[in-house]
Amino acid sequence: SQKIEQNSEALNIQEGKTATLTCNYTNYSPAYLQWYRQDPGRGPVFLLLIRENEKEKRKERLKVTFDTTLKQSLFHITASQPADSATYLCALESGGSYIPTFGRGTSLIVHP
Amino acid sequence: DAGVIQSPRHEVTEMGQEVTLRCKPISGHDYLFWYRQTMMRGLELLIYFNNNVPIDDSGMPEDRFSAKMPNASFSTLKIQPSEPRDSAVYFCASSFRFGGNQPQHFGDGTRLSIL
Repeated sequence: SQKIEQNSEALNIQEGKTATLTCNYTNYSPAYLQWYRQDPGRGPVFLLLIRENEKEKRKERLKVTFDTTLKQSLFHITASQPADSATYLCALESGGSYIPTFGRGTSLIVHP
Repeated sequence: DAGVIQSPRHEVTEMGQEVTLRCKPISGHDYLFWYRQTMMRGLELLIYFNNNVPIDDSGMPEDRFSAKMPNASFSTLKIQPSEPRDSAVYFCASSFRFGGNQPQHFGDGTRLSIL
C-alpha cells in the first residue's frame, strides 16, 4: 500500500544550526513533492515544490532535495531560528491525479 | 488578496446535532478541498470539487457527511447527525490548477468538538 513517512518524534536543535527533516515514501511515483509549514491553530502554508526531474530546490534559507531512487525528500533549514519552530508536512501527488496526499508531519523545535 | 476563509473557527455541540462548516475559497481558484486533521490520522482528504462539481468524495467517512458547493465562492461541509468521533480540525483549501502542480492554500480551520 502507499505510505508517506515522516519522523513522528520532534526534532530539537539549537539556534543557528541546520535542521534536516525527512520524508520517505513507498509505492508512489510522484511527479512532484511539496513541503508545507503548519503553526499551532493555523492551516498548512505552502513553502516549496520540487519536481521529479529536479534534484534540489532552494528558497532563501530553505533547501529541498528529491531522490526518486531512494524515494526520499530532505528538507533543510539553514541558520535556524526559534521562529522556524513549527510542524513541517510533505505532500506527494498520487497516481497522476494532481491531488497531493500529506504526510503526518514532523515537529521542529529550535532552541535559543 | 484575502486567503481562504472558514467559519466558524470553533464549534462545540452535542452528539446528534447537525453541524455545518463553511468555506470561502480564494477568488479565481477552481479547485476546493475539504480535509480533516487528527493526531491519530493526520491530514485526510474528504472531498474535492473542480469548478463547483464534486470530483472525488471517496474520503468522506460516512453518509452522515455531505458537502456542497453552490457557487464558486462558497462551500459547506455538513455532518448530520454528529458523533464524538467526528471531533477534529476541519480544513478547507483551494488551488488554481494550471499545469497540475499548484500549491494548496489552506484556511485556518474549524476546530470541532462533539460532546
